[in-house]
Amino acid sequence: AQTVTQSQPEMSVQEAETVTLSCTYDTSESNYYLFWYKQPPSRQMILVIRQEAYKQQNATENRFSVNFQKAAKSFSLKISDSQLGDTAMYFCAFMKHLNDMRFGAGTRLTVKP
Amino acid sequence: GAVVSQHPSWVICKSGTSVKIECRSLDFQATTMFWYRQFPKQSLMLMATSNEGSKATYEQGVEKDKFLINHASLTLSTLTVTSAHPEDSSFYICSANNVRDRGWYEQYFGPGTRLTVT
Repeated sequence: AQTVTQSQPEMSVQEAETVTLSCTYDTSESNYYLFWYKQPPSRQMILVIRQEAYKQQNATENRFSVNFQKAAKSFSLKISDSQLGDTAMYFCAFMKHLNDMRFGAGTRLTVKP
Repeated sequence: GAVVSQHPSWVICKSGTSVKIECRSLDFQATTMFWYRQFPKQSLMLMATSNEGSKATYEQGVEKDKFLINHASLTLSTLTVTSAHPEDSSFYICSANNVRDRGWYEQYFGPGTRLTVT
């Protein structure tokens, strides 16, 4: 079974600064996908960024980027130029091809003005 | 595109009654839908996988007779909580797979349904 571990229950960052959220996972699969989702107080899950395991290049989406270390089974999220609207729960997720999604416990991020 | 809706967004029911939650993919066909449960300040836990036209696959520990799932069409899955009890109070989220042009199976999440059992 796949497990996803987020070791930081809470983090805070000053507005405009950079913060990195950690995620590790355990799997024996070679073909899979990794995601970071944001869940604001509305509780709507919002996709932040995704990574295909077979791609070595780290995914980037504007201020969001990942550091994907396949051998180490690590998938951290870096948020640059943090904004107040980034305050939310962040979940790391793992998905096997054509299968369901497994989530980490989440990291509550607070961006301080 | 790729919008998933849930109805109702919030429901209160009395203990012992049943309640149905609908999950619809509005602008795409979803061969597979997933139902998650999220307790306050916790992560999403997969309850079951719903495939159109076949029986749902339940995760270990989830009572299939209590949480009835029906996926009668490519755009609609329903979750019925039967004989609800206060411990069933939770936030229920559905998601649906959408085949993208590169063969991606990306999940799109509904806004969730808050169930309160009194």
